[in-house]
Amino acid sequence: EAGVAQSPRYKIIEKRQSVAFWCNPISGHATLYWYQQILGQGPKLLIQFQNNGVVDDSQLPKDRFSAERLKGVDSTLKIQPAKLEDSAVYLCASSTRTGGSTEAFFGQGTRLTVV
Amino acid sequence: GESVGLHLPTLSVQEGDNSIINCAYSNSASDYFIWYKQESGKGPQFIIDIRSNMDKRQGQRVTVLLNKTVKHLSLQIAATQPGDSAVYFCALNSGSARQLTFGSGTQLTVLP
Repeated sequence: EAGVAQSPRYKIIEKRQSVAFWCNPISGHATLYWYQQILGQGPKLLIQFQNNGVVDDSQLPKDRFSAERLKGVDSTLKIQPAKLEDSAVYLCASSTRTGGSTEAFFGQGTRLTVV
Repeated sequence: GESVGLHLPTLSVQEGDNSIINCAYSNSASDYFIWYKQESGKGPQFIIDIRSNMDKRQGQRVTVLLNKTVKHLSLQIAATQPGDSAVYFCALNSGSARQLTFGSGTQLTVLP
């Protein structure tokens, strides 16, 4: 079974530029998550999709971050404009369970450096 | 929002010894508690979970203990091996959308 695919693996941009990350979840997984992981911290949930609908985006900085999952499969996360504090690893995860505990499967992440 | 904390940011153990990683949480409404392992350069990987109505669950070389009275969760790793070196996160399932909230992590280092 293929895992969660993310691209690119690394990205370096200047502040005020825009950037986009792509995620392809495990086939059949209805729930997709985007997390931000700052160095030395635990992952912080940015947005959670159930199929192509948003179920939680309470911690997404909506003035600069946006995400979509138009066909309920792959997803993109965009930052525009980027700030220095956006430097982090952006993790995508997917899961199939709607009940029970969440065994979320994570991709390797995209390491973003804003200079 | 959910608050999850860990007692120690780092833990070093001798190979072959048992490891205990602790986690404190604040919201008793969580119905599942989960441990994830994150190796360098990789995404977190599910290890084991425990439902809120249980106090102990065992897996292969791992045991999770839940003490709801003091809102404390621990992960015990038996006969720790070099491959166990990683950052360990506790996470909670809660909310109507079953959000997965992570703590700050403990770096486990296995010494030869």
